[in-house]
Amino acid sequence: DAKTTQPPSMDCAEGRAANLPCNHSTISGNEYVYWYRQIHSQGPQYIIHGLKNNETNEMASLIITEDRKSSTLILPHATLRDTAVYYCIVSRHGSGNTGKLIFGQGTTLQVKP
Amino acid sequence: EAGVAQSPRYKIIEKRQSVAFWCNPISGHATLYWYQQILGQGPKLLIQFQNNGVVDDSQLPKDRFSAERLKGVDSTLKIQPAKLEDSAVYLCASSSRVGNSPLHFGNGTRLTVT
Repeated sequence: DAKTTQPPSMDCAEGRAANLPCNHSTISGNEYVYWYRQIHSQGPQYIIHGLKNNETNEMASLIITEDRKSSTLILPHATLRDTAVYYCIVSRHGSGNTGKLIFGQGTTLQVKP
Repeated sequence: EAGVAQSPRYKIIEKRQSVAFWCNPISGHATLYWYQQILGQGPKLLIQFQNNGVVDDSQLPKDRFSAERLKGVDSTLKIQPAKLEDSAVYLCASSSRVGNSPLHFGNGTRLTVT
């Protein structure tokens, strides 16, 4: 599974969009990009995933570059409850595949009032 | 749907003692994972089950750690004997094999070894 690079920490003002970058330059054609987040004292929570098209759900949007070497997770209107560690993971997991999800250090997002 | 259940929530033991953690995955989820999360680090996969068979246990310290999922539902993770460096949160997750099913995590068991 390809490795990812994320900034260790970011700040965002409450109500503004939070844009979390992730580099995955060694991603292969059958690997998906997954985002999870972990709020203090809880287990990780799935946010969104994609292969090559941009994706949006009720929590966030995922923008994947055309060459698939990087992506951005967008929280459109960050709230204090979005303060968490955000993990970007690339994996073959999915479509019935049992590929592993390997977590890195993630980005600690601090949403400030 | 009910989430992934784990118990106990906290456990404190002395080194060289044994400990066991229990996980009940989401109903119908065939794949079950145990992760170890040391303070300040991301979760590290220990073992992955598909039904009651082991898919990947390459990162499991087999001299002291063991895990089982006898009937393809609940799972237990055991450490015997525990070391100080085993202090961590042990997370259980499950997923369905249908489509791109995400992992659903429990809130973990926080183990402190003194």
